[in-house]
Amino acid sequence: ALRMAQSPSSLSASTGDRVTITCRASQDISSYLAWYQQKPGKAPNLLVYAASTVQSGVPSRFSGSGSATDFTLTINCLQSEDFATYYCQQYYTFPYSFGQGTKLEIK
Amino acid sequence: HVQLQESGPIVVQPSETLSLTCTVSGGSMSSYYWNWIRQPPGQGLEWIGYVFYSGTTNYNPSLESRVTMSVDTSKNQFFLKLDSVAAADTAVYYCARQLNSASKVFDIWGQGTKVTVSS
Repeated sequence: ALRMAQSPSSLSASTGDRVTITCRASQDISSYLAWYQQKPGKAPNLLVYAASTVQSGVPSRFSGSGSATDFTLTINCLQSEDFATYYCQQYYTFPYSFGQGTKLEIK
Repeated sequence: HVQLQESGPIVVQPSETLSLTCTVSGGSMSSYYWNWIRQPPGQGLEWIGYVFYSGTTNYNPSLESRVTMSVDTSKNQFFLKLDSVAAADTAVYYCARQLNSASKVFDIWGQGTKVTVSS
């Protein structure tokens, strides 16, 4: 099965910072990559799909980039509500698979 | 707007069958793929499979021998059955809608239901 590896697994930052989370696929997945945000006790929320298309209603400080095997999620000017866990997901091939998550914490 | 709600037993005995229902409200099930995804305590997300509104299914090979999904569009519901459960099946189970046929991502999720496998 296709494996997704995120880095770092955890990250400390301050409000107003710019952060980048990386996701690497074990094979070329073109641009079939999505990003989700999950807060404790809540379902994940779709942020970005097709590697760089921001879902409707998601703040413009979130952006995605990359193709093939290497992808990034960037959050500009961190807000307090952005501290959460972030997951990438590939949908290039079955079974769909997720990265292990990156926990973004307040410094 | 479309909302999803999972329901079913919160405790299942080992070797028994886990059965969950997802009720769709505020919209039609037609033309969409309806998914189940689970998250063991403190861990990441695992896609279990989907059922298309027509009844076509696709399962994760890691669970395929134990999983059955079905749909009842007249009741706006879809279902998950997982046979022969063990402690490793303890997780929060989410139902989720796939955005569209081209973008196999999940734009609407239920709140999740925690299922514990225990005697």
